[in-house]
Amino acid sequence: AQSVTQLDSHVSVSEGTPVLLRCNYSSSYSPSLFWYVQHPNKGLQLLLKYTSAATLVKGINGFEAEFKKSETSFHLTKPSAHMSDAAEYFCVVSGVTNTGNQFYFGTGTSLTVIP
Amino acid sequence: DSGVTQTPKHLITATGQRVTLRCSPRSGDLSVYWYQQSLDQGLQFLIQYYNGEERAKGNILERFSAQQFPDLHSELNLSSLELGDSALYFCASRGGQGLVGEQFFGPGTRLTVL
Repeated sequence: AQSVTQLDSHVSVSEGTPVLLRCNYSSSYSPSLFWYVQHPNKGLQLLLKYTSAATLVKGINGFEAEFKKSETSFHLTKPSAHMSDAAEYFCVVSGVTNTGNQFYFGTGTSLTVIP
Repeated sequence: DSGVTQTPKHLITATGQRVTLRCSPRSGDLSVYWYQQSLDQGLQFLIQYYNGEERAKGNILERFSAQQFPDLHSELNLSSLELGDSALYFCASRGGQGLVGEQFFGPGTRLTVL
């Protein structure tokens, strides 16, 4: 079975400081992992994806994530937070089940950026 | 703009009623996914269609049904509505059949059941 756990429901950082949003996954198969961002009253936008190529994945807007199989983690980082980064972030695992190809979302992490 | 459109943007209805949500995928995308996002349940996968056929099912209630038409647009039908069905319903589309493609999300339909 596939699942993801986002370890923090809320993260607050000051503008210009690093961002770390944590995600652990569980998968019976070699997983595909994604991070999506949702700004208020908007749909979800893909930040980055891991698909068994390079373990360090670079995404849009300066975000990156590192796939660590030994730790079953896929944490999202950014060196310097901007005010525009304030949003909800979702970690997602994709896998094949007996009912087909499914996508499992974490519960989300709300990022607040303090000026 | 993701290229995925959803109508209507907002829908207010009463318990016991039936509504239909519509989704048009990105041009050329064959897969359509439906999700429900609510405060207490988070973002949940409901169902996937690929080129007109049901491909995967998630936590979709029996009161809910979906279909994908030959022009690839999809409709999600919600019947015998309950207060707890109030949520944001997202549609997403994807081009490939494999596991690794990203999904492109529409802006969502906000359903309020009174």
